[in-house]
Amino acid sequence: SQTIHQWPATLVQPVGSPLSLECTVEGTSNPNLYWYRQAAGRGLQLLFYSVGIGQISSEVPQNLSASRPQDRQFILSSKKLLLSDSGFYLCAWSVGLADPLRLHFGNGTRLTVT
Amino acid sequence: QQQVKQSPQSLIVQKGGISIINCAYENTAFDYFPWYQQFPGKGPALLIAIRPDVSEKKEGRFTISFNKSAKQFSLHIMDSQPGDSATYFCAASNQGTSYGKLTFGQGTILTVHP
Repeated sequence: SQTIHQWPATLVQPVGSPLSLECTVEGTSNPNLYWYRQAAGRGLQLLFYSVGIGQISSEVPQNLSASRPQDRQFILSSKKLLLSDSGFYLCAWSVGLADPLRLHFGNGTRLTVT
Repeated sequence: QQQVKQSPQSLIVQKGGISIINCAYENTAFDYFPWYQQFPGKGPALLIAIRPDVSEKKEGRFTISFNKSAKQFSLHIMDSQPGDSATYFCAASNQGTSYGKLTFGQGTILTVHP
């Protein structure tokens, strides 16, 4: 069966510090991978998605970047965190040609920038 | 044009009652409309989904009603139970061109009192 691992579960970082959040998927090959941010009252905002190794598409201009060094590994990074980067970050995967589409989410990382 | 507007923000229902959450969209290219359920501290999970070629889809106590001309769809939870207390997100996508990207509504926090 497929599983998605996302860590850490919570993180408190000072402004200006770097960030690295990691997500790995098991039990499937060549998944589509996504990073979403969830803010209170604002739903889920798509930040990045990837359809293959090294292929990253950004949805919104921001202080964050993403990388996919391996087929089932997706990393969210920042060189210098801002207060506005606080939020709940969710990684998700889907099967590339699945119909209907189903996103499988991890349990998220609660990031607080102080 | 990519927005999905969801209401209400929060909803309180008595056990056994009907919970109704509404969503509206603008992009007529959307052709897939899922609902996700999220429990505290967890990632969202797919609950039920519909395509615009049908006006209603039912799975157990959960029903999606779809009005293509009005560009609206809604989730009905019959015989609501305390275990249904969660945050519900509607979403939409254009399956053919979006690489599986979902546009989410702002979320509805449902509380079912025993």
